[in-house]
Parts: sequence; C-alpha cells; structure tokens
Amino acid sequence: TQLLEQSPQFLSIQEGENLTVYCNSSSVFSSLQWYRQEPGEGPVLLVTVVTGGEVKKLKRLTFQFGDARKDSSLHITAAQPGDTGLYLCAASRWTALIFGKGTTLSVSS
Amino acid sequence: KAGVTQTPRYLIKTRGQQVTLSCSPISGHRSVSWYQQTPGQGLQFLFEYFSETQRNKGNFPGRFSGRQFSNSRSEMNVSTLELGDSALYLCASSLAGAGTDTQYFGPGTRLTVL
Repeated sequence: TQLLEQSPQFLSIQEGENLTVYCNSSSVFSSLQWYRQEPGEGPVLLVTVVTGGEVKKLKRLTFQFGDARKDSSLHITAAQPGDTGLYLCAASRWTALIFGKGTTLSVSS
Repeated sequence: KAGVTQTPRYLIKTRGQQVTLSCSPISGHRSVSWYQQTPGQGLQFLFEYFSETQRNKGNFPGRFSGRQFSNSRSEMNVSTLELGDSALYLCASSLAGAGTDTQYFGPGTRLTVL
C-alpha cells in the first residue's frame, strides 16, 4: 500500500491552462513537501507545508495543506513549457523521505 | 557552494556482477541518504548514514549495502545484480537528516543491468 497517493499520474496540457495535482493519504503528517524533478536531474524541493490549512504561493504555483494534515494539493496557474517535469510529494519518516509515485506534467506551447 | 555530486553518472553491468556507486555531499552536511527510482515503484528509500553510522534503513534486501567515510562521502554497493536493479540511484545530503532539514539531491547514477 502506497503511503502517499498522487493523482493524476500523467497530465498533458497546453500552455496557459490551469491544473491541480493531488497528494492524499490516510495518515496524518507533521509536514509535507513538494519536489520537482526534471530529466537527468535529482528532485528539487519546491515547498514544505507544515500547518493544517496552510497555503503557500511560489509565483504561479499554489500549495495547500489539508486541514487534517492528511492531504495536499499543488495548483499551477497559466502553465508554461518550463513547468514540464515530474512533481512529487513527500513526507518524512524520521530521517527518510517517503515519496508518492509522482505526477508527470507535460506542457506544450 | 558545490552541490551533491554522484559518480559515475551512467553504468552498465550484467547480471551477477556487483557495483559501487559514489556520492559526495554538500560541504558540511553529515547526513547522506540513498534512494532508488524506478518507473514502477517510484522513489524508494534505501538507507541513511550519519557520521559514518547507518542510522535508518528501508525495505531492501541485504545485497544493497553502503558506508560513509569520515569526510561524509558515501558509497553504495549492490552485489549479485539482478535485472530488476536497473534504476536511477539518487543520493541526497542534509545537515542532520530528512526529518530535520532540507535534503539536497544529486543528479543520480543510471544503472542498467543486462
């Protein structure tokens, strides 16, 4: 059983569209992290959400942590080709990161 | 500040062989973690070393082992390679570990087992 379930698994959209990626679990977390990974590179941390109900914005990216701290979402406004990549949510279990399987986003111009 | 470096970047081996991968963490980072990334299973935690001691371990067979040196550099070894070991192996470093501060990932070593 996957601790973190991400959906959708794949997303292919046109430049300028909006999208939302979800990360769900039946467990409660003290925090959740979102990473983006581009081909040939390792994941890069985008944001950490800590407080239930918290909303964080990073330019056109909006991250939300669920009130019960069991789920999170990533919303991208007016997607651009540079947003293409693998988006991963992760939670820490002591000194390990547990990852969802990721959402592969492709934005075409 | 230099990032996490991993060598080699690409490796091709045959079944039954063994392989050693290397990771140099960011200067000052004492925690080094290893992850396996495959299309089917995603990113999975292998183990974490802190100050030359294995502090945490994921659910992988004993063929996967590692060590950390006094300069925090780490190596990962896989013995008796199987086809299913083909994957991207990622190393991440941090000051004190994933639960405490940000982990920085290297670009990975792409291992292909034939």
